[in-house]
Amino acid sequence: DTAVSQTPKYLVTQMGNDKSIKCEQNLGHDTMYWYKQDSKKFLKIMFSYNNKELIINETVPNRFSPKSPDKAHLNLHINSLELGDSAVYFCASSQSRDGYTFGSGTRLTVV
Amino acid sequence: TQLLEQSPQFLSIQEGENLTVYCNSSSVFSSLQWYRQEPGEGPVLLVTVVTGGEVKKLKRLTFQFGDARKDSSLHITAAQPGDTGLYLCAGAAGAQKLVFGQGTRLTINP
Repeated sequence: DTAVSQTPKYLVTQMGNDKSIKCEQNLGHDTMYWYKQDSKKFLKIMFSYNNKELIINETVPNRFSPKSPDKAHLNLHINSLELGDSAVYFCASSQSRDGYTFGSGTRLTVV
Repeated sequence: TQLLEQSPQFLSIQEGENLTVYCNSSSVFSSLQWYRQEPGEGPVLLVTVVTGGEVKKLKRLTFQFGDARKDSSLHITAAQPGDTGLYLCAGAAGAQKLVFGQGTRLTINP
């Protein structure tokens, strides 16, 4: 059983399009996250949700809108995609001070 | 802004050698974690250190948290090709937020 699963694995789209990435965790964790990993492999937090409530929003453009319908799901919708949005996006979950469990990533390429 | 600096950023050594990767910051962290990331996959947690001066061992890997909880090191003994990967340190910066270093890309040559 995959602990944190995100779909799709690869996403290639044109500039200006709107796309969504889905994430689900079956670990029973209270907190879920979206991280962006750039071409230099630097991981930066975008959003954090605890029990469906947004607790961290790290100066991410308004074009990015997370949605958490329940504590096991955290989706990421991106409007008006730009070339600079190309990156690998990771979903993760955690419980209290335990380590994070990451999904396998979604490689987004905007052309 | 809390930053973590990892060094070296790239390291290529021969099988059987020892190595140390460093993770430094001017900020204090409540805990520090080390992850390993393979190509096409997400980071996988190796260890969490919480107490200043704490040392944890995972087979040939030894992790240490600095006394002041501002830095950490990862030492690998007798490196093997299977140790090849991207090693990331991450500090707990409060409010359920992890701040990551830029990573150390380790290559072990047979």
